[in-house]
Amino acid sequence: NAGVMQNPRHLVRRRGQEARLRCSPMKGHSHVYWYRQLPEEGLKFMVYLQKENIIDESGMPKERFSAEFPKEGPSILRIQQVVRGDSAAYFCASSPRRTGASSSISYEQYFGPGTRLTVT
Amino acid sequence: AQKITQTQPGMFVQEKEAVTLDCTYDTSDQSYGLFWYKQPSSGEMIFLIYQGSYDEQNATEGRYSLNFQKARKSANLVISASQLGDSAMYFCAMRGANDYKLSFGAGTTVTVRA
Repeated sequence: NAGVMQNPRHLVRRRGQEARLRCSPMKGHSHVYWYRQLPEEGLKFMVYLQKENIIDESGMPKERFSAEFPKEGPSILRIQQVVRGDSAAYFCASSPRRTGASSSISYEQYFGPGTRLTVT
Repeated sequence: AQKITQTQPGMFVQEKEAVTLDCTYDTSDQSYGLFWYKQPSSGEMIFLIYQGSYDEQNATEGRYSLNFQKARKSANLVISASQLGDSAMYFCAMRGANDYKLSFGAGTTVTVRA
């Protein structure tokens, strides 16, 4: 039973390039959450998606960042024209239902291994 | 909005001893959940333990236990009989019962010495 998968695990981009981070949720999970971890900090929520819908992108920078979760395929976090400040670990998590819709712990978020983005 | 505070940036503990990691939180929600995650040097986030705000018993999972003091808004993690493999960063997190956003503290680095 595969867990949440993210690729690549490590990504190096030069300033101005585009970064694409992929997240395949656990089987049966249709809810995806992206978090960013800056160096020496905890994770911070970026965006919440269901299949083909962005539910909440309140934590995502307004410019250069976008996310999608198509009907088929992984969720993608896209960063255009990367800058050094984008260097961070990006984690995605998935759940079978919207977290908070039930008190059951089984609906909690399961995290992937993260993608470490380095902008040179 | 929730706020998580972890005041210990780093701790050393002798192998086989217990260690307590502090976590205090602030929330206006009446119902919420508290979590602890472990992040080893390899970087993945490993879920350790969960405590619901209305749970009467403190949560335990193997060598991990959560010392939940609701009135003091604290949710300290206790690791008993520390092992070398426990060396990692530990994050306290919470979310409102009906919310989906997890809010994380800044983390505590634990180093277990042989």
